[in-house]
Amino acid sequence: GNSVTQMEGPVTLSEEAFLTINCTYTATGYPSLFWYVQYPGEGLQLLLKATKADDKGSNKGFEATYRKETTSFHLEKGSVQVSDSAVYFCALSDQGGGFKTIFGAGTRLFVKA
Amino acid sequence: EAGVAQSPRYKIIEKRQSVAFWCNPISGHATLYWYQQILGQGPKLLIQFQNNGVVDDSQLPKDRFSAERLKGVDSTLKIQPAKLEDSAVYLCASSLDVGRGYEQYFGPGTRLTVT
Repeated sequence: GNSVTQMEGPVTLSEEAFLTINCTYTATGYPSLFWYVQYPGEGLQLLLKATKADDKGSNKGFEATYRKETTSFHLEKGSVQVSDSAVYFCALSDQGGGFKTIFGAGTRLFVKA
Repeated sequence: EAGVAQSPRYKIIEKRQSVAFWCNPISGHATLYWYQQILGQGPKLLIQFQNNGVVDDSQLPKDRFSAERLKGVDSTLKIQPAKLEDSAVYLCASSLDVGRGYEQYFGPGTRLTVT
C-alpha cells in the first residue's frame, strides 16, 4: 500500500541555517505530493505541493522537488527563521488509493535565535 | 472566507462514556474528512465524505465510531463507548473536491482525553 517516510525529529537549527527534511514515498500509482505545516497552537495548513515528476513546489522560501526516480520530495529552505519552528508533515494522494491522503509521522523543527 | 470550524476544542471524558464532535466545512466544499492524530504521529483518515455520501471509511472502528454528514454540509463524529486509546486530536478537513492535487483545509481540531 501507499506510505510516506520522513526523517525523525526533532531537528534543531540556529537562525539562518540551511534546512533539509527528507521525505520518501511508496505509491502504486502516480501520486500528488504535499508538505503541510502545523505551527504551535494552530491547525494544519498546506505549505506547498507538486502534482507531477520534476515539479517544484515553493512557498514562504521553502521548496521541494518531486523526484520520481528516487521517490522523494525533500523539503528545503536556505535560511530558517525562528518563526519557522513548527511540525512539518509530508503527504501523498494517489488515484490508486482513491485519492486518500497518507501522512508521514511529522518532523518537529526548532529554530534558535 | 471562513475556515473549517470545529467544536469543542477540548474534551475530557471517562472510558466507556460517549462523546460527539462537530465540524462545519468551508462553504461550497464537497469533500469532508475526519482524521485521528495520536501524539507524535501523522493524521490518520477515519472517514471521507463526498457531499453526503461516504467515500472511504475503511479505517473507522465501526463498533464504536460513527459519523454522518447531514445535507452535505455539517458533520458529526461520535465515539460510543470511548476507550483509553481514543485519546487523540480529531481533525476535520474539507476540500473543494477529491482528485489530483486538491488542497485540504484543516480545522483547529478537538483534543480528546479519555481517563
